[in-house]
Amino acid sequence: QKEVEQNSGPLSVPEGAIASLNCTYSDRGSQSFFWYRQYSGKSPELIMFIYSNGDKEDGRFTAQLNKASQYVSLLIRDSQPSDSATYLCAVNRGTEAGTALIFGKGTTLSVSS
Amino acid sequence: GAVVSQHPSRVICKSGTSVKIECRSLDFQATTMFWYRQFPKQSLMLMATSNEGSKATYEQGVEKDKFLINHASLTLSTLTVTSAHPEDSSFYICSASGLSGSGGYEQYFGPGTRLTVT
Repeated sequence: QKEVEQNSGPLSVPEGAIASLNCTYSDRGSQSFFWYRQYSGKSPELIMFIYSNGDKEDGRFTAQLNKASQYVSLLIRDSQPSDSATYLCAVNRGTEAGTALIFGKGTTLSVSS
Repeated sequence: GAVVSQHPSRVICKSGTSVKIECRSLDFQATTMFWYRQFPKQSLMLMATSNEGSKATYEQGVEKDKFLINHASLTLSTLTVTSAHPEDSSFYICSASGLSGSGGYEQYFGPGTRLTVT
């Protein structure tokens, strides 16, 4: 059974701090990795995707991928109260076009002002 | 990111009736659409994968005769919940995937449909 594991949290950080969200996956053959943000009662919003080992930066967000350790993380710099949400890590089940995502259960982030 | 719409956003129906939910990709051609269900405080559960012009592939435990999926074009997929029961009440979310400028197949979600069966 292919799995994606995340700490459920809540992860609490003060405004302006760096929030670090972590995710591990079981399928060594996974190729594509995604971070979604989901506000309560809303659908997930894609915020980052990463396909290669290393870091990928987009604004205040940095995704880090280490395929050897089967580990992907998301760093949020200068955290804002509006970043408070559940963050879902997702992994492509396969490498073919249009393959389904396997989601972790999400980490709840709370940023206090 | 890409834009995916869903309609209706919220529906209340009586037990035994059928409900149709539409999912449209507005600014790209979606080779594949996915249907998920999410119960309160739980993660998304994939129900089925739908490719344009072919039959949907259902996940284990999802009744294909109860959850009818049609993907008639590269921009439209529909999910029909037939003979709905109260236990079908949930948040139904579609996502669309197509070849992006990055060379990958990112998935973008619609806003979801909250179904309540009374």
